[in-house]
Amino acid sequence: NAGVTQTPKFQVLKTGQSMTLQCAQDMNHEYMSWYRQDPGMGLRLIHYSVGAGITDQGEVPNGYNVSRSTTEDFPLRLLSAAPSQTSVYFCASSSPGQGGQPQHFGDGTRLSIL
Amino acid sequence: DQQVKQNSPSLSVQEGRISILNCDYTNSMFDYFLWYKKYPAEGPTFLISISSIKDKNEDGRFTVFLNKSAKHLSLHIVPSQPGDSAVYFCAASVGGGADGLTFGKGTHLIIQP
Repeated sequence: NAGVTQTPKFQVLKTGQSMTLQCAQDMNHEYMSWYRQDPGMGLRLIHYSVGAGITDQGEVPNGYNVSRSTTEDFPLRLLSAAPSQTSVYFCASSSPGQGGQPQHFGDGTRLSIL
Repeated sequence: DQQVKQNSPSLSVQEGRISILNCDYTNSMFDYFLWYKKYPAEGPTFLISISSIKDKNEDGRFTVFLNKSAKHLSLHIVPSQPGDSAVYFCAASVGGGADGLTFGKGTHLIIQP
């Protein structure tokens, strides 16, 4: 059971380059989200989706785009990378449920922008 | 403004004793609270949760207590084991978590042999 799979695990980019961080889940979860974690900080929400075709902004959305064409995939796009986007990125998924359901996280993508 | 606060960046506890990790929140709309455990180079792993309609939830060695009037929750680990050494994140959500979680900064728990 793969759960939430993120690729790549590591990436180094130059300022101004673009790239897509991939996230796929095999649990048929409706909810998916992207977070970034910086040193000494908790995870901060970038974008989230409550289902295919539906996305919305989180706490720190600037510089990132998302789309959700299928239930399984939720890619995160950096349009023009900046050093401030150096971080560890986590994708998560969960299903709706009364009282809430825990989110399941991938192992992260470590991104460095030079 | 931080809505979920973990004021202890680190905590050292002797093996076999109780570990108590604390978390405070400011948003009264939060109705679901979760604790995650994180090892280096891995994603957070769900540990235990509690709904705002309860004041206690227990799962094996882990118990979470919620004090709504004080906007405070705590995670108790009894007895503490070496494998419990990790960073623990407190998180909260509104309305079942459809719009994501709000995390604290984490507490690094170190279990001393």
